[in-house]
Amino acid sequence: DTAVSQTPKYLVTQMGNDKSIKCEQNLGHDTMYWYKQDSKKFLKIMFSYNNKELIINETVPNRFSPKSPDKAHLNLHINSLELGDSAVYFCASRRQGIGTQYFGPGTRLLVL
Amino acid sequence: KNEVEQSPQNLTAQEGEFITINCSYSVGISALHWLQQHPGGGIVSLFMLSSGKKKHGRLIATINIQEKHSSLHITASHPRDSAVYICAVVPISNFGNEKLTFGTGTRLTIIP
Repeated sequence: DTAVSQTPKYLVTQMGNDKSIKCEQNLGHDTMYWYKQDSKKFLKIMFSYNNKELIINETVPNRFSPKSPDKAHLNLHINSLELGDSAVYFCASRRQGIGTQYFGPGTRLLVL
Repeated sequence: KNEVEQSPQNLTAQEGEFITINCSYSVGISALHWLQQHPGGGIVSLFMLSSGKKKHGRLIATINIQEKHSSLHITASHPRDSAVYICAVVPISNFGNEKLTFGTGTRLTIIP
């Protein structure tokens, strides 16, 4: 059973479109994250939710909107996609308190 | 300048060699993580440290809080160890939300 899963794994779309990436964890964790990994493989935090409440919101364009319907799911919706949004997006989760983060397999987004 | 610096950026070694990857950071931290990103893209957490030393199989991670430095060692390296190794810290200011600040990664290639 996959601990942290993301769908889709690959996403190719045109500039200007709106798309969503879904993340689910079956670990019973309280906190979930979205990270962006750019073409140079540099990872950066985007958002974090704890028990459906937004706790980290980095300087991310407001075209990006996270939604957490329950503590096992954290989705990422992106409006008006731009070329610079092309990247790999990783979801992660962890238990409350200091702990290991478990990463999803990543979603490779290519905006044409 | 990035708050987390790793060296070397790239490392190529022969199978069986002892490997050391270094991570230096410039802020007070509550924890430091070592992550492994496989060529296929998946990210796995190897260690989380706040002091001292941890060992898992052929991997050893150490941290010196006073010197703001951590090392990841691999003994008897094997081609399957080829991956990007990423150091990430939790600044004390982010204690509680576990917001990670990432290094730029070290690409390790082990030649048979």
